[in-house]
Amino acid sequence: EPEVTQTPSHQVTQMGQEVILRCVPISNHLYFYWYRQILGQKVEFLVSFYNNEISEKSEIFDDQFSVERPDGSNFTLKIRSTKLEDSAMYFCANRVDRVSTEAFFGQGTRLTVV
Amino acid sequence: KQEVTQIPAALSVPEGENLVLNCSFTDSAIYNLQWFRQDPGKGLTSLLLIQSSQREQTSGRLNASLDKSSGRSTLYIAASQPGDSATYLCAVRPGYSGGGADGLTFGKGTHLIIQP
Repeated sequence: EPEVTQTPSHQVTQMGQEVILRCVPISNHLYFYWYRQILGQKVEFLVSFYNNEISEKSEIFDDQFSVERPDGSNFTLKIRSTKLEDSAMYFCANRVDRVSTEAFFGQGTRLTVV
Repeated sequence: KQEVTQIPAALSVPEGENLVLNCSFTDSAIYNLQWFRQDPGKGLTSLLLIQSSQREQTSGRLNASLDKSSGRSTLYIAASQPGDSATYLCAVRPGYSGGGADGLTFGKGTHLIIQP
């Protein structure tokens, strides 16, 4: 199965600090997504990204979040000023097209804000 | 807004049993439905993808069905094994734009334990 790689696997940060979560997508899979899963809750969509711009974002994805492909390959999620409630597992996902193909997920980054 | 519900929330059965996991969604306007497996503290592994025009998909001991008009899907696992123990998630790709519909809408999952 194609593999999406995320780093780091676990990050602990102090409240108010900035964090950057990284993802190496699957080659030729041009649609990128970030999701999060708060412990014990559903996986929730944050943002989709295609052609170097945001396609759509959920109401969770507020001004403290941003995404980019800094070098044309990696895909990053930045949280500018972390809050305790940002503690969650963050998943990067990837698919070939916007609608009809499988979504492949990375192993996740567990973010703990203290 | 699309909502996805999975029943039961947890299930524990002895090894070798055939079992059925249920998923329901409130809006039948979907492009497709995808089943995932999630091991504790790990990522999501794709199991099966069913397009809205399809009725079922099979992969090994897994069979997923889709009844779009009634908003239901089932995941059938044949001859269960201890290695099948995990949380199984159902997710739909809404068939409309806006309001976060570009992403998958997930259920909370069924936590499955297969007893040796």
